[in-house]
Amino acid sequence: KNQVEQSPQSLIILEGKNCTLQCNYTVSPFSNLRWYKQDTGRGPVSLTIMTFSENTKSNGRYTATLDADTKQSSLHITASQLSDSASYICVVSAGDYKLSFGAGTTVTVRA
Amino acid sequence: DAGVIQSPRHEVTEMGQEVTLRCKPISGHNSLFWYRQTMMRGLELLIYFNNNVPIDDSGMPEDRFSAKMPNASFSTLKIQPSEPRDSAVYFCASSVAGQGAYEQYFGPGTRLTVT
Repeated sequence: KNQVEQSPQSLIILEGKNCTLQCNYTVSPFSNLRWYKQDTGRGPVSLTIMTFSENTKSNGRYTATLDADTKQSSLHITASQLSDSASYICVVSAGDYKLSFGAGTTVTVRA
Repeated sequence: DAGVIQSPRHEVTEMGQEVTLRCKPISGHNSLFWYRQTMMRGLELLIYFNNNVPIDDSGMPEDRFSAKMPNASFSTLKIQPSEPRDSAVYFCASSVAGQGAYEQYFGPGTRLTVT
């Protein structure tokens, strides 16, 4: 069964600090991996999409990495802001319309 | 661009009542998805339409759930009769099939509470 596991489940960081979220997957075949940000009460919004040949991609203060050999990805948030408080969901695609979703990591940024 | 539009944003109903959720996809998108999100199960795909045709409804939990897409700009998800365990946030998403690795754009969701 295709699975996507994220860690930690939640974390609290101080404004201005960095943090890294982890994602391990067993989806096969693999087409691409996405990180979504979901603010409370809103729908998920895509931050990055990486294919097999890409091992890093940035979107502002968000940097995602991918190791397709070990089937691991990380999302690094630099110089966190209060607006970064959200749930971050790792999503893996086998190439068609079906997506395998992780349970998400809830990030709380405190002033 | 208005993005995916869903209505209502919140729905509170009593067990046994019919509930209809509505979605307007992004103009030009030919694929539409209905998802359900709960704390216990996360995001789950309920049904996928391509060019207004249901392609995969294997995620629809029971016959109480039905979905339609009468045209390219409108879809509904209906629950009849509703039950308390249907309480969840229902998302509609749209994309252009085959482009952008099926990049899906999510609506704001409808929070359904069945008492």
